[in-house]
Amino acid sequence: NAGVTQTPKFQVLKTGQSMTLQCAQDMNHNSMYWYRQDPGMGLRLIYYSASEGTTDKGEVPNGYNVSRLNKREFSLRLESAAPSQTSVYFCASSDRLLTGSTNEKLFFGSGTQLSVL
Amino acid sequence: GNSVTQMEGPVTLSEEAFLTINCTYTATGYPSLFWYVQYPGEGLQLLLKATKADDKGSNKGFEATYRKETTSFHLEKGSVQVSDSAVYFCALRSNTGNQFYFGTGTSLTVIP
Repeated sequence: NAGVTQTPKFQVLKTGQSMTLQCAQDMNHNSMYWYRQDPGMGLRLIYYSASEGTTDKGEVPNGYNVSRLNKREFSLRLESAAPSQTSVYFCASSDRLLTGSTNEKLFFGSGTQLSVL
Repeated sequence: GNSVTQMEGPVTLSEEAFLTINCTYTATGYPSLFWYVQYPGEGLQLLLKATKADDKGSNKGFEATYRKETTSFHLEKGSVQVSDSAVYFCALRSNTGNQFYFGTGTSLTVIP
């Protein structure tokens, strides 16, 4: 059972380059998320997709775009990378929130370490 | 709005010491509360959760009780091991939305 799979695991970019981080989950989850993790700041939500066909901005969306390609896949794109985007990026997924649901946890991928020079 | 405040780290303890990591929250409605753990080089994993007031979540010797009156969800373990060295994140999920809100994380190092 693969869970949440992120690629690549490591990436180095030059300022101004573009790239796409890929994420796929095999748990039939409705909701998917992209977070960035920076020292002393914990995890901050970049974008999320509550269900297939919808995307919404999180806390720090500037400089990023997302695509919910289908129920399994949720990609994060940096159109013009900046050094401030050097971070560790985590994709996560969860069941759709239902009132009273006990299955409310996030499943995380192993992360992508991105450096922008 | 929704937010989580965690005690600052890093925390260094000797093996078999008692652990407390404080967590308080601000939320509208009745959130679910979580502790996630991140081991070196890995993504976050759910450690325990509580979905309503006075619930106690527990796993691997860790416990946390959902205290609505003090808006707290402190993590405790009676006797830590070297293998517990990790970063611990407190989080909440609002019952009115589909987002998780994380604290800044507390790094724990347990020395033999």
